[in-house]
Amino acid sequence: DAGVIQSPRHEVTEMGQEVTLRCKPISGHDYLFWYRQTMMRGLELLIYFNNNVPIDDSGMPEDRFSAKMPNASFSTLKIQPSEPRDSAVYFCASSLRGFGNTIYFGEGSWLTVV
Amino acid sequence: GDSVTQMEGPVTLSEEACLTINCTYTATGYPSLFWYVQYPGEGLQLLLKATKADDKGSNKGFEATYRKETTSFHLEKGSVQVSDSAVYFCALGGGGYQKVTFGTGTKLQVIP
Repeated sequence: DAGVIQSPRHEVTEMGQEVTLRCKPISGHDYLFWYRQTMMRGLELLIYFNNNVPIDDSGMPEDRFSAKMPNASFSTLKIQPSEPRDSAVYFCASSLRGFGNTIYFGEGSWLTVV
Repeated sequence: GDSVTQMEGPVTLSEEACLTINCTYTATGYPSLFWYVQYPGEGLQLLLKATKADDKGSNKGFEATYRKETTSFHLEKGSVQVSDSAVYFCALGGGGYQKVTFGTGTKLQVIP
């Protein structure tokens, strides 16, 4: 069974540009999460969806960040405009029936904003 | 709110040494407890979990016991290998819409 698939794996972009990260969750999973990992702040939950509906976006750092889940098999995280402090690894993850169950992570999108 | 505290790293051990990574938690209700492992360049993956008090999770020679009386979930392995070098995250979570909370991670380096 395919795991969580993220793209791109690596992205280098200039400050001010729009960045779109993509995620395909595991088929049948009803929860999708976006995390950000940095050395300074560790692993942070940005937003999560249940059945394609955003449940909690309190971790989204500011209005430059937005996330959508138009259907059960696809989600995007967009940063517009990007800034150097957005440089991080962004993980998408999915699970079945919420946090008490195992969360499956993708391999991450490594973003560098110069 | 819920929180997880795990020992700071990095932890450096020789191959075949014993490993303990401490994890304590603060939570309301009855959370599930997890250890995730992150190998270099990869995402996190579940190592083991326990869903109620006194449960022991185990996998790949690693063990952790859910201790409600001490609010702890320490990770142990009797004999580490070089391939165990990774970052280990303790986490707690519950059902419904309750958030999962990750610790800050502990980097383990095993030298031959």
